Order: sequence, then structure tokens, then C-alpha cells
Amino acid sequence: EPEVTQTPSHQVTQMGQEVILRCVPISNHLYFYWYRQILGQKVEFLVSFYNNEISEKSEIFDDQFSVERPDGSNFTLKIRSTKLEDSAMYFCASSRSQYEQYFGPGTRLTVT
Amino acid sequence: AQTVTQSQPEMSVQEAETVTLSCTYDTSESDYYLFWYKQPPSRQMILVIRQEAYKQQNATENRFSVNFQKAAKSFSLKISDSQLGDAAMYFCAYRSAINTGTASKLTFGTGTRLQVTL
Repeated sequence: EPEVTQTPSHQVTQMGQEVILRCVPISNHLYFYWYRQILGQKVEFLVSFYNNEISEKSEIFDDQFSVERPDGSNFTLKIRSTKLEDSAMYFCASSRSQYEQYFGPGTRLTVT
Repeated sequence: AQTVTQSQPEMSVQEAETVTLSCTYDTSESDYYLFWYKQPPSRQMILVIRQEAYKQQNATENRFSVNFQKAAKSFSLKISDSQLGDAAMYFCAYRSAINTGTASKLTFGTGTRLQVTL
């Protein structure tokens, strides 16, 4: 069964550094998403992406964040200058239509 | 804006028993989707069940079923014959069905941690 994959599983970075989180969505899916979950809290929407552009972004998704689909398979989230409060689990998800979204296993980002 | 509320931070059930997790939501939309996701200790988000708001029939997936009350804006999850592997965090989520040709986000509740005891 096809699944969403994410790399790395765990990323440790220093405050102020840039990080790129990578996702490979399910191959025939058209809609892509990033969510984050701070430890012990609910899952929060960051950004959605369709037809090579951002569809919607939340207030969290400020100028420090960007997304890209550099080729036909990868979907990346870049944080330009990480802050301590960016420490969280980041989930990529994809969907083929308006129905359910399938989530990847997540990348745990630790900012020190 | 839509909101999703899960009022039970923790629930406990004995193995083989039945448990119901509650979820309420607030929306002004008439067409939408509701989901339950399971998050085990591995923290992967796993889709459990989906309900379309236009369907009156409650969704069922094996031991998992929902009680969808549209007028009350309630969407509870019933787990029958609970198993040790059901122990996880369960999140209720809402998604608009308005088709604008864009990608619609999921709005999650705060989750209910389910413990399964022997």
C-alpha cells in the first residue's frame, strides 16, 4: 500500500540555522499539506499546496517558512532561521481529492 | 472559523469492552467531512474513520463506528471489543467540503488519550 514518507525522522539544529524537511507524498495525490504538533498539544495546520502554489497558510506560517515541490515527487518545508519554539513534530500529508488526508510518520525537529 | 472540541482528555477501557469518545464541532457550513485519527506512541497519524455530513448513515469500519448527530454538531467514536493495540491518542478532525479547487485543511481537536487495560 502506498504511503507518505518523510525524512529525516529526527533533526536537531541550532537556533538561527536553516532546516529543510522532506516529504514524498503518495504518487497520484494532488494536494499536499504540512502540519505541526508541539509536544502534548494538538495538530496544527501550517500550509496547503495545490497546482504548484500555496492554497492556504495559517498565521504560524510566516516569512520564515516556505514550501516547494522541486520535482514530481518531493515536497519540502524550509524554515530559514529556526527558533526554539519551532521545536515540534512536523507532519506532511497528501490527498487525492477532497477526501481523507494521509499522513507521513513525521519529522521530530529539535531546536537547541 | 471552525472549531473542534474534545472534552475528554483521557479515557480508559478494559480489553474486550466498548468505549465511546466524544467530539463536538462548530461550523456554519452545511457540507463538510469529519474524521477520527489515531496517534499511537510512534506519533504517526492513522486515519480510523470518515463521515460525510450529507450522509445520514453512520460510518462503520470493523470495530469502529461513529454516532453522527448533525443538528447537535456531535461526532462520537465507538470502539467495540477494545484491544491493547487501540491504546493511543485519538483526534477528531473537521474538513470543509466547499470545493474551491484548493486544498482544504483539517482542523483538529485537542485529542483524547485512550488507555486499554487488561
